Amino acid sequence: GQQVMQIPQYQHVQEGEDFTTYCNSSTTLSNIQWYKQRPGGHPVFLIQLVKSGEVKKQKRLTFQFGEAKKNSSLHITATQTTDVGTYFCLSGNTPLVFGKGTRLSVIA
Amino acid sequence: DTAVSQTPKYLVTQMGNDKSIKCEQNLGHDTMYWYKQDSKKFLKIMFSYNNKELIINETVPNRFSPKSPDKAHLNLHINSLELGDSAVYFCASSQGYRVDEAFFGQGTRLTVV
Repeated sequence: GQQVMQIPQYQHVQEGEDFTTYCNSSTTLSNIQWYKQRPGGHPVFLIQLVKSGEVKKQKRLTFQFGEAKKNSSLHITATQTTDVGTYFCLSGNTPLVFGKGTRLSVIA
Repeated sequence: DTAVSQTPKYLVTQMGNDKSIKCEQNLGHDTMYWYKQDSKKFLKIMFSYNNKELIINETVPNRFSPKSPDKAHLNLHINSLELGDSAVYFCASSQGYRVDEAFFGQGTRLTVV
């Protein structure tokens, strides 16, 4: 079945350092979504990428969708303590498959 | 107003019991989902309904039965609860299926003892 591999599983950074999480699919994706889950919270939608090679920015967050639509990345510049949480990618194919998430901790 | 609401937020029950989790969305969305998040934080889809019709039923024991009385509600009934059912269950909704952002409820933490 379809798999979405997400790495790394954990990332500890000093405040101000950059952070990147990657998702790779075994099949071409119709779209990919990114979600953030704060500790004890629920997943919250960040963005959706649809087009090959698409790049979208939200303040310090940069999202990319690969040319082959099989991989995607989320990059955070100059992390802050408010960025703490688990970041998930979600494949838009059927069935809907989440990556296993990258848990980000930020040391002040 | 809460967009997607689940009740209860916490549920502690004994093995073998039957329990239900309710979910309601007031966003007017056509699609609703149930996800299970285990202790390692992995999110796995269980069911998806579109306009009250079941469109996804992943490999879930048949002790789990979703019920959608109308487009705004998707309840989850679990029979003969087992220890391994302990997890956080999230309800979510989206306007379209697969192509729109999903709004998640606050989650129901189920503990089976």
